[in-house]
Amino acid sequence: SAVISQKPSRDICQRGTSLTIQCQVDSQVTMMFWYRQQPGQSLTLIATANQGSEATYESGFVIDKFPISRPNLTFSTLTVSNMSPEDSSIYLCSVGDPRVDEQFFGPGTRLTVL
Amino acid sequence: RKEVEQDPGPFNVPEGATVAFNCTYSNSASQSFFWYRQDCRKEPKLLMSVYSSGNEDGRFTAQLNRASQYISLLIRDSKLSDSATYLCVVPLYQKVTFGTGTKLQVIP
Repeated sequence: SAVISQKPSRDICQRGTSLTIQCQVDSQVTMMFWYRQQPGQSLTLIATANQGSEATYESGFVIDKFPISRPNLTFSTLTVSNMSPEDSSIYLCSVGDPRVDEQFFGPGTRLTVL
Repeated sequence: RKEVEQDPGPFNVPEGATVAFNCTYSNSASQSFFWYRQDCRKEPKLLMSVYSSGNEDGRFTAQLNRASQYISLLIRDSKLSDSATYLCVVPLYQKVTFGTGTKLQVIP
């Protein structure tokens, strides 16, 4: 199993600003994932962040809007840039190979953009 | 057809009842399937995995019907603590698709 923490747990931000979300895992992992869960919706994968390589973004998500860092095997950040109200969502990081294994999720960051 | 489809519910059932949810998937090449549970304002957590015909864990039974391309989750003897949203997860190659979830409310 993996224990994951995220900071901040929630934030209220102004339009046009940026927020960086941190994800810390209690063990070394190769694959880390960032998801978004909009109100009343399911989880949508934003990108996969593997240490030592550029993040891989899913269709509809771009690096300029959601830059990701993965400096080591236990940590990652996701930045939500130039925010608009449409970015209001819960952002979750996770670890584990979702194709074959259990995925462990962080507690999420609840973002509200005014 | 959506890649993964679930009835959003809510399913309101009395304590002790048996309830079942279905999840349909569009790509027949999918080999493994998962049910996650998400409590209100919490992160999803794995409930069961389904790799072949089915899986049973106590009051919970997950079954796979490849011919009709759906998986089901059966909960027997419902408890108040079973109230949550149940997410169907279908991986395929490099991609993982989450269903929108089925909300269950168990009523005293």
